[in-house]
Amino acid sequence: AQSVTQLGSHVSVSEGALVLLRCNYSSSVPPYLFWYVQYPNQGLQLLLKYTSAATLVKGINGFEAEFKKSETSFHLTKPSAHMSDAAEYFCAVSAGTSYDKVIFGPGTSLSVIP
Amino acid sequence: DAGVIQSPRHEVTEMGQEVTLRCKPISGHNSLFWYRQTMMRGLELLIYFNNNVPIDDSGMPEDRFSAKMPNASFSTLKIQPSEPRDSAVYFCASSLELALTDTQYFGPGTRLTVL
Repeated sequence: AQSVTQLGSHVSVSEGALVLLRCNYSSSVPPYLFWYVQYPNQGLQLLLKYTSAATLVKGINGFEAEFKKSETSFHLTKPSAHMSDAAEYFCAVSAGTSYDKVIFGPGTSLSVIP
Repeated sequence: DAGVIQSPRHEVTEMGQEVTLRCKPISGHNSLFWYRQTMMRGLELLIYFNNNVPIDDSGMPEDRFSAKMPNASFSTLKIQPSEPRDSAVYFCASSLELALTDTQYFGPGTRLTVL
């Protein structure tokens, strides 16, 4: 079975500062990992995904995440925060061997301070 | 493409009433997912379809919930009778296939309030 935890339900950063959102997963098989973003009153949008190719994954809007098997982590980073990055971010995991449902984490709300 | 379309965007109803939520997936997508989002439980997968056939409904909370997909361009999620604890945002998502690497595209959601 798969599960995912996100450390910090709320993160605040200053505009221009580094964004780091933490995600740790648990999986009995090699996982596929995802980061989604949800803007207010909208559905979720895929930022990036890891599907067992390169461990450093680049996504949209300047975000990237690194898969670290030894740490069972898939943290999301962006070098310089922009006001438009303020949103809810969800890490998700699914089994990487056969189709199984995607399990979403509880989410981290990112605030960007001008 | 218009993306995943959901209707209504907001629904307010009274306890005991029947509620029907609608979803039109992206044209050409063969898989469709219904999710529920609440503050307490986060985002939960309720049911998903592939080629109009329900594959896994283990996330449907009770028999009061039912979902159908009569054709490739339309799906409904019905709650009968509705209860206040059903209040949530319900999302529909679609993907090309039921594959590990396929991206799910989410609709804007329906915010349901049951009084």
